[in-house]
Amino acid sequence: DAGVIQSPRHEVTEMGQEVTLRCKPISGHNSLFWYRQTMMRGLELLIYFNNNVPIDDSGMPEDRFSAKMPNASFSTLKIQPSEPRDSAVYFCASTRSTGELFFGEGSRLTVL
Amino acid sequence: QQQVKQSPQSLIVQKGGISIINCAYENTAFDYFPWYQQFPGKGPALLIAIRPDVSEKKEGRFTISFNKSAKQFSLHIMDSQPGDSATYFCAANPWGGSQGNLIFGKGTKLSVKP
Repeated sequence: DAGVIQSPRHEVTEMGQEVTLRCKPISGHNSLFWYRQTMMRGLELLIYFNNNVPIDDSGMPEDRFSAKMPNASFSTLKIQPSEPRDSAVYFCASTRSTGELFFGEGSRLTVL
Repeated sequence: QQQVKQSPQSLIVQKGGISIINCAYENTAFDYFPWYQQFPGKGPALLIAIRPDVSEKKEGRFTISFNKSAKQFSLHIMDSQPGDSATYFCAANPWGGSQGNLIFGKGTKLSVKP
C-alpha cells in the first residue's frame, strides 16, 4: 500500500514568493493533518481536516498560511507570501480514526 | 495544560545498554499516549502506545511505563542497538477527542554507539 505522499520533497524559494505543498493521504483515511517541524518548536499541528472539512486551524501561524482539501485524496498547504521564518519541514499525516497517525516523508522548505 | 514535556533532549547510549526517555503531562483529559520514532529524512512513525488502564506495555525491546498519579510516562529501550538511533517523540491526546490530534513532546535524539 502506498503511504502518505507529499510533494515537493525539497523547495527553495525567495522571500515573498508563493509556496504550495501537496499531500495525498492514504486511501480510506478520513482525517488529514498538516504539521510543521523545526528544531526550536518541534512538531506543531497547523490544521486538520475530517472528511475534507477543516476542523481546527488554530495552529496556522497567520493569514499568510492557508490549507484546502478539495477531495478525500488531495490537500494543499499554501504560504503567500513566504518569509525566511517559514523555513521548516512540513509533514502531512492521515488516519482512519484508529489513533495511529501515518506521516509522509515531509517537504523541506527553505525561504531565502 | 496542553503541553507534553519530554526529557532529555539528547541521549547517548552504548550498544546493549538501556535507553530511557521521560515525558510528563498536565491535562488529566489525556488518555492516549503514543511514542513515535523518526529517522533522518523520514516522517515519524508509531512505535508503541499505551492507555492509562495499564501501567506498562511491552513490545519486543520497547516498553512504556505509565504513572497516572504522577502524570508521567516513559519509554525504555532494552539492549539498545545502533539501528535504534533516531529521534523519539512522546505524544498525548484525549481518546475521546479527534484521534490523531496529538500534542507532541519536543523530541529526544538517541544515539547508540557501537
